[in-house]
Amino acid sequence: QSVLTQPPSASGTPGQRVTISCSGSSSNIGSNSVNWYQHLPGTAPKLLIYFNNQRPSGVPDRFSGSKSGTSASLAISGLQSEDEADYYCATWDDTLNGVLFGGGTKLTVL
Amino acid sequence: QLQLQESGPGLVQASETLSLTCTVSSGSIISRSHYWGWIRQPPGKGLEWIGNIYYSGSTYHNPSLKSRVTMSVDTSKNQFSLKLTSVTAADTALYYCARKGGGGLFDYWGQGTLVTVSS
Repeated sequence: QSVLTQPPSASGTPGQRVTISCSGSSSNIGSNSVNWYQHLPGTAPKLLIYFNNQRPSGVPDRFSGSKSGTSASLAISGLQSEDEADYYCATWDDTLNGVLFGGGTKLTVL
Repeated sequence: QLQLQESGPGLVQASETLSLTCTVSSGSIISRSHYWGWIRQPPGKGLEWIGNIYYSGSTYHNPSLKSRVTMSVDTSKNQFSLKLTSVTAADTALYYCARKGGGGLFDYWGQGTLVTVSS
């Protein structure tokens, strides 16, 4: 079980807005920025959000990130079928002195 | 566009050493702003951070892997490597190399290589 807690699954219909949460503690999310990755089977994970709420070039503005205290969220608006993937949060942990990944959330577009 | 490519045996015998190399192209491994990392994904499970190495050779690794992990860098070949000793079936995974910025930020990834530990 990961130190960063994500719901194992999420779902929505095309056009809907979905959010995925990532809950941690003071030694990780509480004191470090959060990054989000999109992972489709058979491909390399893709950086989706960095520094809590920044989008790399090429990532649609339908994807947004936020952080409050020891929790973070990824929001996807205008859900599309191609958004169906696994999503992971990641951050640095000051106690571990290393990188933590959340357990991952499988997003299904109904 | 920076590219990373993992290479190494796809099958390792239990109790032996897993060895992987990541070749960086279209960019230099000598970067003051980045580390180079290894991440793995066991079948049906999530991503697990293995460790990072700086071009100078300094490293961080996941304590859960204890002393089984060794990482090295060869700046002349623009490569970095991972060795994981005393492997078991639990080490069967898709292994990725990636470029790491601050915190948990990995911005460029290799395609991954599947390593199966056989008993």
